[in-house]
Amino acid sequence: AQTVTQSQPEMSVQEAETVTLSCTYDTSENNYYLFWYKQPPSRQMILVIRQEAYKQQNATENRFSVNFQKAAKSFSLKISDSQLGDTAMYFCAFKGTSGTYKYIFGTGTRLKVLA
Amino acid sequence: NAGVTQTPKFQVLKTGQSMTLQCAQDMNHEYMSWYRQDPGMGLRLIHYSVGAGITDQGEVPNGYNVSRSTTEDFPLRLLSAAPSQTSVYFCASSSAAKVGETQYFGPGTRLLVL
Repeated sequence: AQTVTQSQPEMSVQEAETVTLSCTYDTSENNYYLFWYKQPPSRQMILVIRQEAYKQQNATENRFSVNFQKAAKSFSLKISDSQLGDTAMYFCAFKGTSGTYKYIFGTGTRLKVLA
Repeated sequence: NAGVTQTPKFQVLKTGQSMTLQCAQDMNHEYMSWYRQDPGMGLRLIHYSVGAGITDQGEVPNGYNVSRSTTEDFPLRLLSAAPSQTSVYFCASSSAAKVGETQYFGPGTRLLVL
């Protein structure tokens, strides 16, 4: 069964600094999708970035980028130039392609950006 | 487009009461899911549906029922609420045609069982 592990329950970073959130996963599939979601205090789940496993190039979205290491089954999120609005819970998620619909979520990392 | 809507936003129940959490989407998505979110546990899948008339259990289905009579609606029923069901519940939907697309989440329902 697939699993997703986020080993950092809480992190903090100074405004304008860079922070990296870790995520590892376990799967026997070769093709799959990985996601990072942000959940601010409003509780709304917001997609931050998405990576397709068969694409070697790391995904980027403005200040957000990933370091995808397929062999190591690692999918970390880097936030550059951190802003106060980045304060939120961040969830890593996995979705396979071999007939299952399920998205598997990690337990989340609570990020606080300090002024 | 309203996206995914959930009602109510907040509910207080007494142990043993029943209720239905409503979820609707207007994106014609085949896939719909219910999750519960508890501190330190992330999002855990309760039930999901791959189309009208088809539902299946997720990771934590006990105490919950679902049905899917239309593409748009996917209600979650608590038949006899227990304090262990105090949680935040999220409904989500996604397209079957776009395999790697994100799920779209509703705003959540906060449930307190006394």
